[in-house]
Amino acid sequence: AQSVTQLGSHVSVSEGALVLLRCNYSSSVPPYLFWYVQYPNQGLQLLLKYTTGATLVKGINGFEAEFKKSETSFHLTKPSAHMSDAAEYFCAVSGHFGNEKLTFGTGTRLTIIP
Amino acid sequence: DTGVSQDPRHKITKRGQNVTFRCDPISEHNRLYWYRQTLGQGPEFLTYFQNEAQLEKSRLLSDRFSAERPKGSFSTLEIQRTEQGDSAMYLCASSSPLQGQYPREQYFGPGTRLTVT
Repeated sequence: AQSVTQLGSHVSVSEGALVLLRCNYSSSVPPYLFWYVQYPNQGLQLLLKYTTGATLVKGINGFEAEFKKSETSFHLTKPSAHMSDAAEYFCAVSGHFGNEKLTFGTGTRLTIIP
Repeated sequence: DTGVSQDPRHKITKRGQNVTFRCDPISEHNRLYWYRQTLGQGPEFLTYFQNEAQLEKSRLLSDRFSAERPKGSFSTLEIQRTEQGDSAMYLCASSSPLQGQYPREQYFGPGTRLTVT
């Protein structure tokens, strides 16, 4: 079975500071990994995904994530936080062909301090 | 492309009542997913359809839950004899066979928030 673990249910950073949201995965096969963002009362929006190839993945809104197989990690970063980044962030893993359902972590709520 | 829509956005019901939610996927998206999100948790997979065929159901989907996608377009999720534990956000997502790279991106709707009193 595949799973992801998000370390830290709440993270607060100052505006302009580095954002680091942590995600570790468990998978018996090479994983497909995702980061989604959820704003209040809205659905989830895909930030970025890792499938194969380049381990540093760039997404929307200046976010990026690095797949590290040796550490089974897929941490999300952004060099400079903006007030509009305040939201809930979910890491997810999907199955392989024919089984694309997503398994999500418990989420990290990001607060930006002015 | 108007996005995935869900109706209603909010539903308050009394325990024991039946409720039905509707999801309209993005046009021509052949896969449709239902997830449930409880407070403080990530979404959990419930079931998914490819066209009108329901291909997988989670063990979370008890006998009180049923989902349909009769013409391969919109889908409904019905909960019979609701319980307080059913209170959650029910999310729908869809994906297109025309997306090039696997895995295909799932586009999420805004969700239906169910409160069972």
